[in-house]
Amino acid sequence: DQQVKQNSPSLSVQEGRISILNCDYTNSMFDYFLWYKKYPAEGPTFLISISSIKDKNEDGRFTVFLNKSAKHLSLHIVPSQPGDSAVYFCAATSNTNNDMRFGAGTRLTVKP
Amino acid sequence: NAGVTQTPKFRVLKTGQSMTLLCAQDMNHEYMYWYRQDPGMGLRLIHYSVGEGTTAKGEVPDGYNVSRLKKQNFLLGLESAAPSQTSVYFCASSILAGTTDTQYFGPGTRLTVL
Repeated sequence: DQQVKQNSPSLSVQEGRISILNCDYTNSMFDYFLWYKKYPAEGPTFLISISSIKDKNEDGRFTVFLNKSAKHLSLHIVPSQPGDSAVYFCAATSNTNNDMRFGAGTRLTVKP
Repeated sequence: NAGVTQTPKFRVLKTGQSMTLLCAQDMNHEYMYWYRQDPGMGLRLIHYSVGEGTTAKGEVPDGYNVSRLKKQNFLLGLESAAPSQTSVYFCASSILAGTTDTQYFGPGTRLTVL
């Protein structure tokens, strides 16, 4: 069972515009959420995270929003740059275990 | 400082063969993890280790064994490879306990089982 879902396999946006990547989860025990970015032939790299006690976390051009009641989180990238083109994975975990569940990823393409 | 490295980068096996994937980290991290990534699916945790000499099962442990004899190394073994184990394998490590700490990933090993 996929407890973390990224329903959009791909997203294409114009440089300078906003990119919004979405993620849904089913397990109410998850209380910590992360986004990882992956370039081809490389391992994922950590991008930004959010705890369930917050509804927003911002780091430069990247902002993650969490809606606990809807079990939904989103990653906003503003403004988008061509170098942001990569696969973005949403991940969820809890403080009480060592198991992190990943979504299938969304391939973002930012066109110049 | 190389971070997390994985050996080999690519491998082709025949069904029934065995092999060991090596993960090494030079960041003195306590936690290490092995994931597999399959098309249309996210990374799934195979096994993990919370310190030297310890291992534990993750979400998809069947068909794999692991060992953490040294803090810097985490080995993933396939005793009798099956086509279902064709995947990209990622190793990761983290400083602190638990998955809420940032994990640092290696570049991956692409394994094909014929």
